[in-house]
This record gives sequence, C-alpha cells and structure tokens, in this order.
Amino acid sequence: SAVISQKPSRDICQRGTSLTIQCQVDSQVTMMFWYRQQPGQSLTLIATANQGSEATYESGFVIDKFPISRPNLTFSTLTVSNMSPEDSSIYLCSFLGLSGGYTFGSGTRLTVV
Amino acid sequence: QKEVEQDPGPLSVPEGAIVSLNCTYSNSAFQYFMWYRQYSRKGPELLMYTYSSGNKEDGRFTAQVDKSSKYISLFIRDSQPSDSATYLCAMSEILTGGGNKLTFGTGTQLKVEL
Repeated sequence: SAVISQKPSRDICQRGTSLTIQCQVDSQVTMMFWYRQQPGQSLTLIATANQGSEATYESGFVIDKFPISRPNLTFSTLTVSNMSPEDSSIYLCSFLGLSGGYTFGSGTRLTVV
Repeated sequence: QKEVEQDPGPLSVPEGAIVSLNCTYSNSAFQYFMWYRQYSRKGPELLMYTYSSGNKEDGRFTAQVDKSSKYISLFIRDSQPSDSATYLCAMSEILTGGGNKLTFGTGTQLKVEL
C-alpha cells in the first residue's frame, strides 16, 4: 500500500508568521485532503486538493488563510498564514486509497506563540 | 447535535477483555464506515472499512454496522496493552465526482492494562 510522508512533524512559530507543511506520497493519487485535529475535537476537513485545479475549501476555511498547492499527483503543501495562537493544532494530510479507505500522514503539531 | 457522536472515554480494561467501541450518527446519507486507531503523536491508521450493514471481521477486530439504528461498533477481542490508543470512527456519503468527505467522531481513548 502507498506510503505518505509529512513534514515537519512539529514546529513552534511566532504569531503573524506562516508555516508550510509538505506531504509526499510514494505513488500517484488523484485526491489529497488536509485535516485539522484540535485537542478534544474530531478531525475537521480543511480542503480537498486535486492536481491541476484549485483546492476546494470547507465551510469556515478560506484560501487566503490556508493556501494549498498540488503541483503533481504525489505532492501537496498546506500553508498556515498569518498565524495566531488559535491556529495551534495538529494538521494532517490524507489520500483516498484504492481499497476505499483513507491513509493519513503522521501529522504536524503546530504551536503558535 | 453533532453528525457523529462518540463517547470520548477514557475506557480502561484489563488485558484479555473484550472491548466495545461505539458511534451513533444522524446523517442517513452516510454509506461508508471506517474505524481508525491513533497512537499518541501519530496519524490515524485505518483498521476497518465497511460499506453495508452487518459484520466484518479481521483478526481480533469486528466492525458492526446497523444502518436502521444509525449505530456502528468496533469490537476488540483478547485486548492487548498494544491496543491502547484512541479509536476514531469515521463515515462518508458518496459525493458527485467520486470524492468522499469523511466525518469523524471525537475518538474514544482506550487503555488496556496488564
């Protein structure tokens, strides 16, 4: 089965700055997904990233705050822009596997100070 | 009301016990049901994936779906300390274009003690 690598695994950032998270899959996948996991809450889908088109954002998430790139079928990035402490969370990338289940990266633990 | 409800626990059981984890949901359009295991500081790992009502077994794990009651369960037999993790239920409905959006429960924290 395909393997997904995500980095950085964690970071501590100053408010007002931006962080770009990268995800690399070892095979081509059509759709990649970005989730946020806040303490005590369920995973929440931020956006769906297709290669060659703009990402589709869920309600409550906007491109200016969370720009996404999907330059090819194995790679995607999520940027958390102009960060505030409320953005402290775990961010996860994911893709839909051939078996129908979703595979997740190991997550990026972001702390904004 | 949340679309997916899951008891957060924590649930503590002795080694060898049978564990029952449950989720209820309100959206009758959900078609696909999944269970994920998440160890501390790791991403969720897919355990079980089912499409229809009924039971599906994989080793010590059994997933059960009752669409009429909007209720899903994961049973773990002969639980081991290595099963200690957070278990997340997730479900999706078919979206046009072939993509499925996952809706997660909040997760149940399980601890299996020696």
